[in-house]
Amino acid sequence: QVQLKESGPGLVQPSQTLSLTCTVSGFSLTSYNVHWVRQPPGKGLEWMGRMRYNGDTSYNSALKSRLSISRDTSKNQVFLKMNSLQTDDTGTYYCTRETIAAHFDYWGQGVMVTVSS
Amino acid sequence: DIQLTQSPSSMSASLGDRVSLTCQSSQGIGNYLSWYQHKPGKPPKPMIYYATNLADGVPSRFSGSRSGSDYSLTISSLESEDTAIYYCLQYDEYPPTFGAGTKLELK
Repeated sequence: QVQLKESGPGLVQPSQTLSLTCTVSGFSLTSYNVHWVRQPPGKGLEWMGRMRYNGDTSYNSALKSRLSISRDTSKNQVFLKMNSLQTDDTGTYYCTRETIAAHFDYWGQGVMVTVSS
Repeated sequence: DIQLTQSPSSMSASLGDRVSLTCQSSQGIGNYLSWYQHKPGKPPKPMIYYATNLADGVPSRFSGSRSGSDYSLTISSLESEDTAIYYCLQYDEYPPTFGAGTKLELK
């Protein structure tokens, strides 16, 4: 069945780089788009960026200068890297699959990231 | 960017009540509007896609509708398990944007 699972460090120091991995199963990264969405504590959902099925990427303009999304199709993994982390980057980070009907049908469980010294 | 305004921001209702949540778009987005139920410690769960289509496994008491740029999620008879924050998402135009959410509680 379709699954997505985020992994990465739970704690990152301010000004450092966050590296997260989304490992997928049950579908091909060359057939579906995968997105990253985050939620700061007590706040709403924020779209971060997308890895398209053909390898193209799109980013939230507010994060574009700090964010990079890549993939390794042989390992069924999508990567998120975001540099210059600050405390307001603390939150839960999700990867999610986009369907043809332009919505997100499967989500990972999320990974909590705390930015603190 | 397209703005989605959800109302109310929070509400409480009794078991068995009919509940309607609204999401208004700042621009035309056609039917590219979906709804997600979000509970603490869990990922968002898709409830409605393409404005009116029920996502897989979602109870039939949930429904979606559209009137112009106003979109609604309706629960015909509220159950205790429906307490959550509900978000709408537009994906007609980049970037995809979420509404701020409606927190639904039991009275």
